[in-house]
Amino acid sequence: QVQLQESGPGLVKPSETLSLTCTVSGGSISSYYWSWIRQPPGKGLEWIGYIYYSGITNYNPSLKSRVTISLDTSKNQFSLKLSSVTAADTAVYYCARLGYTYVTDYWGQGTLVTVSS
Amino acid sequence: QSALTQPASVSGSPGQSITISCTGTSTDIGGYDYVSWYQQHPGKAPKVMIYDVSNRPSGVSNRFSGSKFANTASLTISGLQAEDEADYYCSSYTSSSLYVFGTGTKVTVL
Repeated sequence: QVQLQESGPGLVKPSETLSLTCTVSGGSISSYYWSWIRQPPGKGLEWIGYIYYSGITNYNPSLKSRVTISLDTSKNQFSLKLSSVTAADTAVYYCARLGYTYVTDYWGQGTLVTVSS
Repeated sequence: QSALTQPASVSGSPGQSITISCTGTSTDIGGYDYVSWYQQHPGKAPKVMIYDVSNRPSGVSNRFSGSKFANTASLTISGLQAEDEADYYCSSYTSSSLYVFGTGTKVTVL
């Protein structure tokens, strides 16, 4: 059974960079797509982007200029960096596995990141 | 890219059937059979209920079914139960290898 766990700071200051890591267990990261999704408090899901095990990335056009997703196969981890954050970036951030038919079949538990000074 | 459009809320009595729509365009729902549906209870991560338009993952009740016509996908819950009360989201693959979620629907069991 594949399991994912997000880790990183729960509080980030405005204009700084949000950094999160997702550790994958129960399966290798060297296949499938690996995705980041966020959900502002009381709002809907927003896809941030994904990385293929080969390193190919695709990002939500609305966030593309600020997002970087990377992969560390030696640690079975992938990471998210979101630069120049504002209060609008406050959300629960989920890491997830995206299957070959673009179904998000495994999700982390989510981690709340608050942007505030 | 714009979010797929879902009704904000749908309600039904126990035992009834309800249907949630998810409307997109020819560049997402209408162009690919990569539509999924997710159930999210408060404070929990979403759970996939339907993938590839109409397929159910192992362990998901057969009371959940999915379909698609043109640019609109639908999720039907039959024999509505109290435990079905949750938020539901659709998603689709889009052109340019992107991905998009729906706006979300709150299901209330009366």
